[in-house]
Amino acid sequence: GDSVTQMEGPVTLSEEAFLTINCTYTATGYPSLFWYVQYPGEGLQLLLKATKADDKGSNKGFEATYRKETTSFHLEKGSVQVSDSAVYFCALLGGGNQFYFGTGTSLTVIP
Amino acid sequence: KAGVTQTPRYLIKTRGQQVTLSCSPISGHRSVSWYQQTPGQGLQFLFEYFSETQRNKGNFPGRFSGRQFSNSRSEMNVSTLELGDSALYLCASSPFGVSSGNTIYFGEGSWLTVV
Repeated sequence: GDSVTQMEGPVTLSEEAFLTINCTYTATGYPSLFWYVQYPGEGLQLLLKATKADDKGSNKGFEATYRKETTSFHLEKGSVQVSDSAVYFCALLGGGNQFYFGTGTSLTVIP
Repeated sequence: KAGVTQTPRYLIKTRGQQVTLSCSPISGHRSVSWYQQTPGQGLQFLFEYFSETQRNKGNFPGRFSGRQFSNSRSEMNVSTLELGDSALYLCASSPFGVSSGNTIYFGEGSWLTVV
């Protein structure tokens, strides 16, 4: 069945460091891929998405490219800020029309 | 525009009891989907309702049920609670449903603790 595997955390970085959170997926067909972010005490918010191979989603300095050949959708940001501290979830929307989420990666950015 | 509202935010129940959680979607949204979030399993899809009909269901036992009213508000019910049901229950709304690919908007969740 469809599934998402993402890098385990927690991840701690200094401000302005480079961020990569790995995400790989297993799916039949051609799923849409998403990154959601959950700030402390809040619900999940869509960060970015990509709906087909080679698409690049981007938002707030974050980017992720849909790589069909490696079944990956890694999240990157060139220079993280303290305000980026949150839990990040990789997700896919599969052919069964339901979301499959990774287990989440907690990011803490220290000044 | 008000966001997705979930009530209650926190509750504690005893094993064997039942619980009902409520979700009010964003005005105009006809789809409500429910998710269970636990540290070990992450986020798992429970079910989706669209225009009062269950459209899709995840892999959860029959103790987990839901419904949607004509105003799109939704409730989920868990009967015969088990310790393992302790989790954050999230609902999300969207205008036309998960399958449309539109953005879904999450509420802040209801924290359920079963003792």
